[in-house]
Amino acid sequence: GNSVTQMEGPVTLSEEAFLTINCTYTATGYPSLFWYVQYPGEGLQLLLKATKADDKGSNKGFEATYRKETTSFHLEKGSVQVSDSAVYFCALKEAAAGNKLTFGGGTRVLVKP
Amino acid sequence: ETGVTQSPTHLIKTRGQQVTLRCSSQSGHNTVSWYQQALGQGPQFIFQYYREEENGRGNFPPRFSGLQFPNYSSELNVNALELDDSALYLCASSLLGGGNTGELFFGEGSRLTVL
Repeated sequence: GNSVTQMEGPVTLSEEAFLTINCTYTATGYPSLFWYVQYPGEGLQLLLKATKADDKGSNKGFEATYRKETTSFHLEKGSVQVSDSAVYFCALKEAAAGNKLTFGGGTRVLVKP
Repeated sequence: ETGVTQSPTHLIKTRGQQVTLRCSSQSGHNTVSWYQQALGQGPQFIFQYYREEENGRGNFPPRFSGLQFPNYSSELNVNALELDDSALYLCASSLLGGGNTGELFFGEGSRLTVL
């Protein structure tokens, strides 16, 4: 079956530091890949996505590239802010699976001033 | 603000009881999915409804059931509650068909505590 593995947190950084959150996946087909963010007390928000190999998703300074050869979709941001403190989830969706997303366990990021 | 609203936001039940959670989809969306998010874990897919029919289910027992209404709002029902059902329940709506991408929009969730 499908699965998503992401690095465990918490990840604690200083403001303006570089952030990387690793994500690897296992899928039977050619899934779309997503990063969702969950701010304290809020629901999940789509951060970025990529639908095919070598696509790069980007939003709010975050980037992730769909690497089929390494089955990875690592999230990066060059200079984090305190407001980026949240839990980040990597997820995949198979084309034939409707809206069934398979999520990783989440990575909590804490950015200190 | 995603336009997906869930109620109640918090509730406490005891083992063996039944619970109904409600979700109002974003206007124009025809598909709703429910997810269970245990504390410190990623969301797990429960099931999906498209045009009032269940058309996908995750690894959850039959005591988890749902409904989708003609206005595309939805309910999640859980019977015979167990302690492990304590979690945040997330509803997500989307528009499938007609070339739409089917992007999911999540509500803020209903936090269920089973004592």
